[in-house]
Amino acid sequence: EAGVVQSPRYKIIEKKQPVAFWCNPISGHNTLYWYRQNLGQGPELLIRYENEEAVDDSQLPKDRFSAERLKGVDSTLKIQPAELGDSAVYLCASSPGGLNTEAFFGQGTRLTVV
Amino acid sequence: KQEVTQIPAALSVPEGENLVLNCSFTDSAIYNLQWFRQDPGKGLTSLLLIQSSQREQTSGRLNASLDKSSGRSTLYIAASQPGDSATYLCAVQNSGNTPLVFGKGTRLSVIA
Repeated sequence: EAGVVQSPRYKIIEKKQPVAFWCNPISGHNTLYWYRQNLGQGPELLIRYENEEAVDDSQLPKDRFSAERLKGVDSTLKIQPAELGDSAVYLCASSPGGLNTEAFFGQGTRLTVV
Repeated sequence: KQEVTQIPAALSVPEGENLVLNCSFTDSAIYNLQWFRQDPGKGLTSLLLIQSSQREQTSGRLNASLDKSSGRSTLYIAASQPGDSATYLCAVQNSGNTPLVFGKGTRLSVIA
């Protein structure tokens, strides 16, 4: 069974440019998370989806970040415009949902803003 | 607000040694606790998940224990190998509807 798939693996952009990340969760997993991990830190939640509904986006900087999960499967996370401080690893995770909340993570996208 | 602390931040041991990684959390009313491994430049790999009603979980050379009342968990690695070198992250979930809250991790180096 395929795990959580993210693309691209690496992205280098100039500040003020837009960037988008894509995530395909494990088949059948209803819950999808986007986390951001800064160097030397643990991941921190940006947004959580239950199916296609964003149920927790309190930590998402909505002035520049947006996310969507159309049809409750794949998800995209967008930053526009990017700032230097957005350089980090962006991790997508999924879990089955309901009582089973064990999270499985993708390989992440390492974003460098120059 | 839940806070998770992992001690030590870094650890270097010779191959074959048994070792313990520590994780503490401030709010003991947790739903579950999960240990992850992260290799450099990679994502997180789930190692063990302990439900709040459980005291420990084992997988191969790994054993994780949970003491909710004291807000602590330990990850025991037996007979360490160089391939165990990675960062180990502890994360807790306060309910089925809340996200994981992570510690900063322990960076482990096992020297051959």
